[in-house]
Amino acid sequence: GAGVSQSPRYKVAKRGQDVALRCDPISGHVSLFWYQQALGQGPEFLTYFQNEAQLDKSGLPSDRFFAERPEGSVSTLKIQRTQQEDSAVYLCASSLESGRAGSPLHFGNGTRLTVT
Amino acid sequence: KNQVEQSPQSLIILEGKNCTLQCNYTVSPFSNLRWYKQDTGRGPVSLTIMTFSENTKSNGRYTATLDADTKQSSLHITASQLSDSASYICVVTNSGGYQKVTFGIGTKLQVIP
Repeated sequence: GAGVSQSPRYKVAKRGQDVALRCDPISGHVSLFWYQQALGQGPEFLTYFQNEAQLDKSGLPSDRFFAERPEGSVSTLKIQRTQQEDSAVYLCASSLESGRAGSPLHFGNGTRLTVT
Repeated sequence: KNQVEQSPQSLIILEGKNCTLQCNYTVSPFSNLRWYKQDTGRGPVSLTIMTFSENTKSNGRYTATLDADTKQSSLHITASQLSDSASYICVVTNSGGYQKVTFGIGTKLQVIP
């Protein structure tokens, strides 16, 4: 398909486990974003990549969260030693342009993480 | 802090009726405002985009308005259909640096037969 693909679709982790969430953006899209969406809330910004460069990670809630996009395409969000408050839907979005332009964000369907 | 506030939080309407969703923002400097539709279990999908100079934009049965002076936007849905049941999220992008966006928490719309 031509859209943003995220995997796994659902992930259940025991508290303390490490998890890795994958995002395949639309081919050729420069910008890639990760968002965290709690139940009944809007998405909250986590981090932003322009190609392989992580330009903003100010939204990452703790040093247990780490994201990478080593070749400027696929990105992985890793959460170490998961806690119950990490339970949320993690959305990935990509857009064609970098900078201030108004190109839309194309979202994946998210990974629903449940920490038990 | 840049904020986007939406009202109402939830809304139930009969199929075929019209409705209007509201969005107030304090994001500055302003670049553009988008309305997204998010179906349950799916990622948000862009409906409309409006820049500073635009005050009305339509996409089928969806019409968005923007008043950049009062920093308010609305999304009007005409002749609602059952498939319009979703969350509608107002998203404002600032014009400083890269495309940094601020999301509202959304309005959850339910259209009933």
